[in-house]
Amino acid sequence: AQKVTQAQTEISVVEKEDVTLDCVYETRDTTYYLFWYKQPPSGELVFLIRRNSFDEQNEISGRYSWNFQKSTSSFNFTITASQVVDSAVYFCALRSDNYGQNFVFGPGTRLSVLP
Amino acid sequence: DTEVTQTPKHLVMGMTNKKSLKCEQHMGHRAMYWYKQKAKKPPELMFVYSYEKLSINESVPSRFSPECPNSSLLNLHLHALQPEDSALYLCASSQGRGRSYEQYFGPGTRLTVT
Repeated sequence: AQKVTQAQTEISVVEKEDVTLDCVYETRDTTYYLFWYKQPPSGELVFLIRRNSFDEQNEISGRYSWNFQKSTSSFNFTITASQVVDSAVYFCALRSDNYGQNFVFGPGTRLSVLP
Repeated sequence: DTEVTQTPKHLVMGMTNKKSLKCEQHMGHRAMYWYKQKAKKPPELMFVYSYEKLSINESVPSRFSPECPNSSLLNLHLHALQPEDSALYLCASSQGRGRSYEQYFGPGTRLTVT
């Protein structure tokens, strides 16, 4: 079975705080891909990152960083020095061959960054 | 900036109407998708086109009819919809159908069925 869990339904932080969004996944496949998407109030899903199961290197892109740990099946996302424009719903997603190559999305985490 | 465009942005239609949603991408992608998203839920896959051929239909009711006239365009024809079909309809494209390809989404069409 394929499953993505984002335990935090909603998070509120004050601007400039750091915030970590959790993502835990389940899959029996050895080859799979993990993704993060941002959905601001405008509705469009914005692609943030893709990580394959063989690459456990953490990644940093500006204020964004991702921590992939296969041992705990987690792919967490940290925003450093949050800004109001970071307010959005963030989805973690999983894709693998044995699930028809379709996305399995987590339920999403709604992040509110207050000024 | 998104390179997947969708029209219209908003659509209100009655249950007896026929309307179409349009999606266009100019990234040379060969896979295109329709998703339905209800409020506070993740997107749900409806259809997948690969090389302009329908490859996945996720048991979507026949009142939704997809069409892919060419590699850049994707339409979703709507007929005799129900109020529960009100949702955000998202179009996406990717380089290919494989699992490694990220999908790029359009801004969506907010559909209200009255």
